Amino acid sequence: AQTVTQSQPEMSVQEAETVTLSCTYDTSESDYYLFWYKQPPSRQMILVIRQEAYKQQNATENRFSVNFQKAAKSFSLKISDSQLGDAAMYFCAYRSVSGTASKLTFGTGTRLQVTL
Amino acid sequence: GAGVSQSPSNKVTEKGKDVELRCDPISGHTALYWYRQSLGQGLEFLIYFQGNSAPDKSGLPSDRFSAERTGGSVSTLTIQRTQQEDSAVYLCASSTQTGAYEQYFGPGTRLTVT
Repeated sequence: AQTVTQSQPEMSVQEAETVTLSCTYDTSESDYYLFWYKQPPSRQMILVIRQEAYKQQNATENRFSVNFQKAAKSFSLKISDSQLGDAAMYFCAYRSVSGTASKLTFGTGTRLQVTL
Repeated sequence: GAGVSQSPSNKVTEKGKDVELRCDPISGHTALYWYRQSLGQGLEFLIYFQGNSAPDKSGLPSDRFSAERTGGSVSTLTIQRTQQEDSAVYLCASSTQTGAYEQYFGPGTRLTVT
């Protein structure tokens, strides 16, 4: 079974600065998807960014980018130019490609605080 | 377009009562998932439906939990004889069957069992 580990329960960053959230995972599969989700106090899980394991290029979405290290099974999220609206819980998630539309396996989350 | 909707937003029930939670997925999404988010357990998968295939019930914690999906659209998660440990936020998500099968989540139902 796959596992996802987020070792930082809480992180803090100053507005306009850059922060990196860590995620590691364990799998025996060679192809899979990785995701970062954001959950603000409203509870709604919002997809931030995704990465296909077969792609070597790191995914980027505006101020959000990932550092995907397949051999190390590491998938960190970098948030540049942090904004107050970035404050939320961030979850790293894994999805197998075997079988269609399979479940997500989540890490325990990192709570990000953004300070002035 | 409309996102995933869930009702009720909050539900308080007495121990031993049955509850029904509803999920309305994004139109055209053939896959529907239920997850539970509780303190100390994180986010855990409960069940998913994909088209007309038999649902994957591997995450249901006990036989008190059941779910159905009518007409390939709306889903209802039923918890019978609720226990205090069932208190959690129940999240529903839906996805297409193409690409990365990105899952889009609803706002969740917060269930409190007293």
